[in-house]
Order: sequence, then structure tokens, then C-alpha cells
Amino acid sequence: KAGVTQTPRYLIKTRGQQVTLSCSPISGHRSVSWYQQTPGQGLQFLFEYFSETQRNKGNFPGRFSGRQFSNSRSEMNVSTLELGDSALYLCASSLGSPDTQYFGPGTRLTVL
Amino acid sequence: AQKVTQAQTEISVVEKEDVTLDCVYETRDTTYYLFWYKQPPSGELVFLIRRNSFDEQNEISGRYSWNFQKSTSSFNFTITASQVVDSAVYFCALSEAVNYGGATNKLIFGTGTLLAVQP
Repeated sequence: KAGVTQTPRYLIKTRGQQVTLSCSPISGHRSVSWYQQTPGQGLQFLFEYFSETQRNKGNFPGRFSGRQFSNSRSEMNVSTLELGDSALYLCASSLGSPDTQYFGPGTRLTVL
Repeated sequence: AQKVTQAQTEISVVEKEDVTLDCVYETRDTTYYLFWYKQPPSGELVFLIRRNSFDEQNEISGRYSWNFQKSTSSFNFTITASQVVDSAVYFCALSEAVNYGGATNKLIFGTGTLLAVQP
């Protein structure tokens, strides 16, 4: 069974731009969560989706948004990028909630 | 508030040594889950184990073993006869299972322990 896939793997943007990251969960998994990993703040929860509904949201500004489609694929969007948004963005999927999450390889975003 | 503490920032051992990674957690919930993940240099978090709050049995999987003690709020991870391939950052994480909005998968991670196994 294929694992969680994330695209793109690497991204370079400039301040003020916006970016969309994509995540395809493991087949059959209905829950998708997103995390941000930075050297300073570590791994922080962004949001969680289950059956197209946002179930939980972390403490991030409104510039960070996400959505989930009917096929469980998910996207997250960051608008008006700031230098501090440079991070590894990890997507995780699980069958249900609460359940074990399996992570994708991440998207490394660099904001210049 | 929920919190996970991994006091060991970096550990360096020589191959074949045993090593224990410490994890201490804080939660007011009675139902919760504890996890260990491994993050090799490639960046992907690899799931190792999940324990629920009602199951304090220790677990062994090959060279890996986990010691869950609710009395001390600890969930420690031991690698026996370490190998170079064990070199990675290891994260302990806590899930509250249910929050005000219902069931949740939200993970609260510790800061991680970088394990370097020298040949």
C-alpha cells in the first residue's frame, strides 16, 4: 500500500507570495493532519480534517488555511508568506480519530 | 495543559551499547495515547509505537522496548545493542484523544532527542 505522498517536496517562495501544499493520504484513510516543523519551535500542530470537515486547529494565524476533498486528499495554503514560515510541513493520515498517524516525507518551504 | 518533555537533547553512543531515551508527559485527561516516532535525516516521521493510557504493559519489539509508567508520567524507550542505522531524531508525542470538539488526532510533540550511534 502506498504511503502518504506530499507535493511538492521542495519549494522556494518570496515574502508576500502565497503557497499551496498538497497531501494524498494512505488509501482508505479519512483523517489528515498537518504539522509545521522548525528548528526553533519544533513540531507544531496546524489542523486536522476528517471527512472534509476541520476538526481541530492549532494556534496559527489566519494566513494558514486548509481543506480536504471528498477523496480525502488535502491541501494547505499559506498566504502573504513571511520569512518565519520557512519550515518543513508534514502531512499525516490515519484511518479514523483517534488513531495512529502515518506521516509523509514533507514539503520543505523556504521563504526568501 | 498538555506537555511532553524530552530532557535529553543529544545522546552519543558506540555501536552495540544500550541506550534509553526519556519521555515525561503532562496531561489532565484520563484517556490519552502516547507515541514514539523516529525521524531519520530524510525528514519523514516513522511510527514506532502507540500506547493508550489504560495499558501499562511494557512492550518489546526486537531490539526496541518501551517502559510506560503512569505513576511517574513517563514513557521511556530503550534500544538494545544499538546500530548505526538507529541514528536519528526520536520524538515522543501525546494525543489527548478527545477535545472539546470531539475525537482528535492532534499530537503534542516533545523537542526530540538526537541519537548518534558511532561505529
